[in-house]
Amino acid sequence: EIVLTQSPATLSLSPGEGATLSCRASHSVNSYLSWYQQKPGQAPRLLIYAASNRATGIPARFSGSGSGTDFTLTISSLEPEDFAVYYCQQRDYRGTFGPGTKVDIK
Amino acid sequence: EVQLVESGGGLVQPGRSLRLACTASGFNFGDYAVSWVRQAPGKGLEWVGFIRTKTYGGAPEHAASVEGRFLISRDDSNSIAYLQMDSLKTEDTAVYYCYRELNGAGDYWGQGTLVTVSS
Repeated sequence: EIVLTQSPATLSLSPGEGATLSCRASHSVNSYLSWYQQKPGQAPRLLIYAASNRATGIPARFSGSGSGTDFTLTISSLEPEDFAVYYCQQRDYRGTFGPGTKVDIK
Repeated sequence: EVQLVESGGGLVQPGRSLRLACTASGFNFGDYAVSWVRQAPGKGLEWVGFIRTKTYGGAPEHAASVEGRFLISRDDSNSIAYLQMDSLKTEDTAVYYCYRELNGAGDYWGQGTLVTVSS
């Protein structure tokens, strides 16, 4: 099983600040890495697929990078609606999610 | 408009079975793999499994945690994916989501259906 580790667990920031979220895989997942945003009571929303491609309708302030075992989701300038939990997911071998990073308001 | 709607959740006793359905509309269902994901109350997301398109053999794959108890299938003529859950345990209590898979990611998700396993 491929294990995904996300850091930090919680990120406390103010609107307008930038955010950098990390996802590390126990084995290479090539570029089969996606990022999702989830708000309370809602289904996850796809932000980034194949490590660095923005999904349809996702604002340009969201970007993804990385390959192999180390990946990053960057939010250039936080908007009020961006405070949520973020998950990475690999689909290189079966599928696993990371434990999530909560981005909350400082 | 692309939509996926899960149904079939509810309260079930440990050891019993339940079948969830994921009904799709707004796209050619047979062209897409479908995955199931669950989320226990207050916890993170857990990938349950997926089913390939008929073009790729139509075979399912399941997470190790549910292998042998859960089975994913599909009915392309009715645009439905199923999650058959047998020998349910209390730890299977969760909201179950299905999603359409594109480029290895879930681009459209259903709203989820709650399964509660309790005596």
